[in-house]
Amino acid sequence: AQTVTQSQPEMSVQEAETVTLSCTYDTSENNYYLFWYKQPPSRQMILVIRQEAYKQQNATENRFSVNFQKAAKSFSLKISDSQLGDTAMYFCAQINNAGNMLTFGGGTRLMVKP
Amino acid sequence: NAGVTQTPKFRILKIGQSMTLQCTQDMNHNYMYWYRQDPGMGLKLIYYSVGAGITDKGEVPNGYNVSRSTTEDFPLRLELAAPSQTSVYFCASSFRTGGKNEQYFGPGTRLTVT
Repeated sequence: AQTVTQSQPEMSVQEAETVTLSCTYDTSENNYYLFWYKQPPSRQMILVIRQEAYKQQNATENRFSVNFQKAAKSFSLKISDSQLGDTAMYFCAQINNAGNMLTFGGGTRLMVKP
Repeated sequence: NAGVTQTPKFRILKIGQSMTLQCTQDMNHNYMYWYRQDPGMGLKLIYYSVGAGITDKGEVPNGYNVSRSTTEDFPLRLELAAPSQTSVYFCASSFRTGGKNEQYFGPGTRLTVT
C-alpha cells in the first residue's frame, strides 16, 4: 500500500520570499509519478507540478520546483517569489503503478502574508 | 469547454435518505473517478471507471454505488446516507490512466448528513 505524509499542517511566508513544503512517501514500486496539487479556497484542485520517479532531474514549473530524493522517498515543493495568490492548501500525491489511484497526503495550509 | 461539472454544489441530507451526485465531463475522457475529502484531509478514491459500462472500487467504496452508461456521465449514488458520509465529493476525469495523464477535477459537492 502507498502512503503519503505531509508533516507541516500549516506554514506562512512573506510575499516575495521562498518557502519549501515537505512530503515523504512510501511505495514498493520502482516507477511512479509524484504530484503537488494546489487547492485554493474555491476548492478547485489544480495540478502544480509532477515528477516521474525514474527521471533524476527535478521538475520545475515557473516559480515552482521540486527536490526529489528517491532514496530518501522525499518530494518537497519550493515556491519562489511567493505571491498572495499562492495562499492555498497544498497536497502531495502519488499515483499507483496501475495508474488509476491517486494517494494524497493530509495537506499543508500555506498563507502568504503581504 | 466546461471541463468537469458537478451538481449540486451543496446538499444537506437526513440520515437514511438517498441521493445521486452528478458528474459530467465534455473532454471525451475515458477514465473517471470519484473522491471524497474529509475535513483537513487529502482526497480518497471511492470508485473509478475506465469506460462506459466498466467500474471498479477504490479505497473507500462502502456505502456508495456508481454506474457509467455514457462516456460523459459518472453519477455517484448514496443509498442510505450516514453521518460518516459528510464530506466534500470530487469527480475527476483523465484521457488515460497513468502519471502522464493529468486528472482534471470538478469543483466539488459539499454534502452534510444530519
